[in-house]
Amino acid sequence: GNSVTQMQGQVTLSEEEFLFINCTYSTTGYPTLFWYVQYPGEGPQLLLKVTTANNKGSSRGFEATYDKGTTSFHLQKASVQESDSAVYYCVLGGFDLPGTGSNRLTFGKGTKFSLIP
Amino acid sequence: EAAVTQSPRSKVAVTGGKVTLSCHQTNNHDYMYWYRQDTGHGLRLIHYSYVADSTEKGDIPDGYKASRPSQENFSLILELASLSQTAVYFCASRDSNYAEQFFGPGTRLTVL
Repeated sequence: GNSVTQMQGQVTLSEEEFLFINCTYSTTGYPTLFWYVQYPGEGPQLLLKVTTANNKGSSRGFEATYDKGTTSFHLQKASVQESDSAVYYCVLGGFDLPGTGSNRLTFGKGTKFSLIP
Repeated sequence: EAAVTQSPRSKVAVTGGKVTLSCHQTNNHDYMYWYRQDTGHGLRLIHYSYVADSTEKGDIPDGYKASRPSQENFSLILELASLSQTAVYFCASRDSNYAEQFFGPGTRLTVL
């Protein structure tokens, strides 16, 4: 089956430092890869989408890249701010759920990012 | 204006009791989903639906039922709540032409 491994449970940085979060995945076929962000008290929302065709995506100062050879994809931001404090999920998608063509999303466990106070 | 809303936002239930969580979307999306979120597990799919009056099992359906009486509404039903069902529950909707799912704000359920 499909799986996503997100090893970093928590990342803490100082303001303006470089953020890097890595995920690996296991699947057959050609997935679409997502990064979702969840702010306190809210549901997850889409941050970035990376398809295997373009290998890259960017939004709100974040950049995501994908490496098919190592089946990994990662999220980075050059200079973090307080407003970036959130939980970041790498998500594997693009697969049909049985019988319906509905899109299956497989979530990693999430990485909680916060600034050093 | 929020396009996916959930009610209640928080609930305390007793073991063995019946719990109904409700979701309403104004996105005009065909697909709707219920997930649960537990610390250390990310989100896991419980049930989903692609049309009114029809629901399908996700990855962890045991102990849950779902109901989709209209395109806009999708409910999650716990007939006999158990301690292990304490979690945060999220509803999501999706347009059939796109992969992105839009999530509601969640319902925190505590079973005592």
